[in-house]
Amino acid sequence: GAVVSQHPSWVICKSGTSVKIECRSLDFQATTMFWYRQFPKQSLMLMATSNEGSKATYEQGVEKDKFLINHASLTLSTLTVTSAHPEDSSFYICSARELPAAFFGQGTRLTVV
Amino acid sequence: DAKTTQPNSMESNEEEPVHLPCNHSTISGTDYIHWYRQLPSQGPEYVIHGLTSNVNNRMASLAIAEDRKSSTLILHRATLRDAAVYYCILNNAGNMLTFGGGTRLMVKP
Repeated sequence: GAVVSQHPSWVICKSGTSVKIECRSLDFQATTMFWYRQFPKQSLMLMATSNEGSKATYEQGVEKDKFLINHASLTLSTLTVTSAHPEDSSFYICSARELPAAFFGQGTRLTVV
Repeated sequence: DAKTTQPNSMESNEEEPVHLPCNHSTISGTDYIHWYRQLPSQGPEYVIHGLTSNVNNRMASLAIAEDRKSSTLILHRATLRDAAVYYCILNNAGNMLTFGGGTRLMVKP
């Protein structure tokens, strides 16, 4: 199946700093990628839909100025958590569709201290 | 996308078959039935999908009821590595997948 690679796998940052997470589709092109967040013992929640060459679409309650998404090419989307705070600590997962299936990155565990 | 209902958790013995049920009584004619699983601290992994007919692949089998209002994911011989949360998801538009609570499968040696 298709491969989606996410980097880094984990990151620890200080409160107030920014963190960038990369998501790449390795063997297919993805005009759309999806960013999810997962808190412990909970299911995945969609944060935003990333569209190549245009603005991302954010789910209700997700601050677009805090979670910056850039989808500059057909194989790369990035999520930047700006001015991170401890409550942003979570497991972030990206996904891309190679229809009809969806493929997911390995996830990034962000810990803000 | 229509909603699915799955048991919160199930237990299985190693090397025995496992049948994971999913109810989707409001499924529409164009909804595909997808199954994904998530191992601890990893992103979800595609398992199988189907529309009307039963499907088999190297990972599992998918049995779809004739009225399509329910389906069952079948793992033919559970291993310890199959312990995961299994998600049954309906999708027809190629857009994002909406995750419910899933079924946590525990496999006993």
